[in-house]
Amino acid sequence: GENVEQHPSTLSVQEGDSAVIKCTYSDSASNYFPWYKQELGKRPQLIIDIRSNVGEKKDQRIAVTLNKTAKHFSLHITETQPEDSAVYFCAASNTGNQFYFGTGTSLTVIP
Amino acid sequence: EAGVAQSPRYKIIEKRQSVAFWCNPISGHATLYWYQQILGQGPKLLIQFQNNGVVDDSQLPKDRFSAERLKGVDSTLKIQPAKLEDSAVYLCASSPGQGRGEQYFGPGTRLTVT
Repeated sequence: GENVEQHPSTLSVQEGDSAVIKCTYSDSASNYFPWYKQELGKRPQLIIDIRSNVGEKKDQRIAVTLNKTAKHFSLHITETQPEDSAVYFCAASNTGNQFYFGTGTSLTVIP
Repeated sequence: EAGVAQSPRYKIIEKRQSVAFWCNPISGHATLYWYQQILGQGPKLLIQFQNNGVVDDSQLPKDRFSAERLKGVDSTLKIQPAKLEDSAVYLCASSPGQGRGEQYFGPGTRLTVT
């Protein structure tokens, strides 16, 4: 089955700096890669996603890149703000709609 | 568009008792998931339904957990009997299916087993 690894497990940045979270996957059949943000006590919220036929996608301050050859994808947050502090999860999914999650990255943005 | 609904939001039970959770997915979503999320960890899939059929229940502890989605819409997850290690948040999610991705989560049920 699919195996998704996520790094780092914790990340602290100064407000205004950039944050990068990286994930790798093992199954070449995975074709959809969402990122979720989970604030304490709340549900995971889909913040951005990318499909296997695209190399990069951007939405305001967040972007995701995908390297299918190397089987890794990354989340980039620019101009970080305190409200970006949360746990971020990556996931990989296939045509069977099965989702495999990373172990999460706890991001802290220091004002 | 209404989101994924779950109830109850919180539940406290003693070990060896039974508990049931309910989920109503986004209208028209064919795929429904139940996840267990232990504090500090990522969601762990318990069971995945496609309409009213089971796609994946390989990680469901079948000796104590059961789930059904009889009419292909809402779903219930039951634990009988509960153990201390079942304390977690149980998340329901739904997806349009047909390989379209875009999974959306409900608010979750926080279960505490004492």
